[in-house]
Amino acid sequence: QSVLTQPPSVSGAPGQRVTISCTGVSSNIGAGYDVHWYQHLPGTAPKLLIYGNTNRPSGVPDRFSGSQSGTSASLAITGLQAEDEADYYCQSSDSSLSGVVFGGGTKLTVL
Amino acid sequence: EVQLVQSGAEVKKPGESLKISCKGSGYSFTSYWIGWVRQMPGKGLEWMGIIYPGDSDTRYSPSFQGQVTISADKSISTAYLQWSSLKASDTAMYYCARRRVTAGSYFDYWGQGTLVTVSS
Repeated sequence: QSVLTQPPSVSGAPGQRVTISCTGVSSNIGAGYDVHWYQHLPGTAPKLLIYGNTNRPSGVPDRFSGSQSGTSASLAITGLQAEDEADYYCQSSDSSLSGVVFGGGTKLTVL
Repeated sequence: EVQLVQSGAEVKKPGESLKISCKGSGYSFTSYWIGWVRQMPGKGLEWMGIIYPGDSDTRYSPSFQGQVTISADKSISTAYLQWSSLKASDTAMYYCARRRVTAGSYFDYWGQGTLVTVSS
């Protein structure tokens, strides 16, 4: 069981907006540690999508956005495209575990 | 261009030892932590540990402490992940990644992954 909780799956039609939640506790997200998001296509290296809760690396479309509040964070994807179909992971740090923690991952299906 | 290039797929038997590598280029290898992440078949990402090649300071996830050894050779810009006695449950894809510590701690560049299969 992962330290950060994500829904196993979400889906949406092309052009729609979807959100993926990431829930932590007081020793990680609730302690003020930033949340980061990765996109992972099978057989490829994970790709950084969002860092520091809300920041997009160069080259990531502005269709992807992140937010954080309390012990939770969210990734929003607007204008869904077929190429967005992938697994998405949140990641933070945890003071009690002294290191990096990942969510269990969410599979996004574009209908 | 920042690149992390990992060694190729491995097929091993239980009890055998293994060392896989991750070679960095396009940046100052000694100035960034390198992390290792496991993905077991059909499962999510798990952080294993990190190393700072500049001084070989190493930290392990409690789940992997004592199970693997992380090391680095800064003279050839390469980090390693090794096992002394593999188990079938070590079958997984292993990724190395460069750690950044601006706006939190995250991984900005990843290797292509090394598939390790342990089977008798």
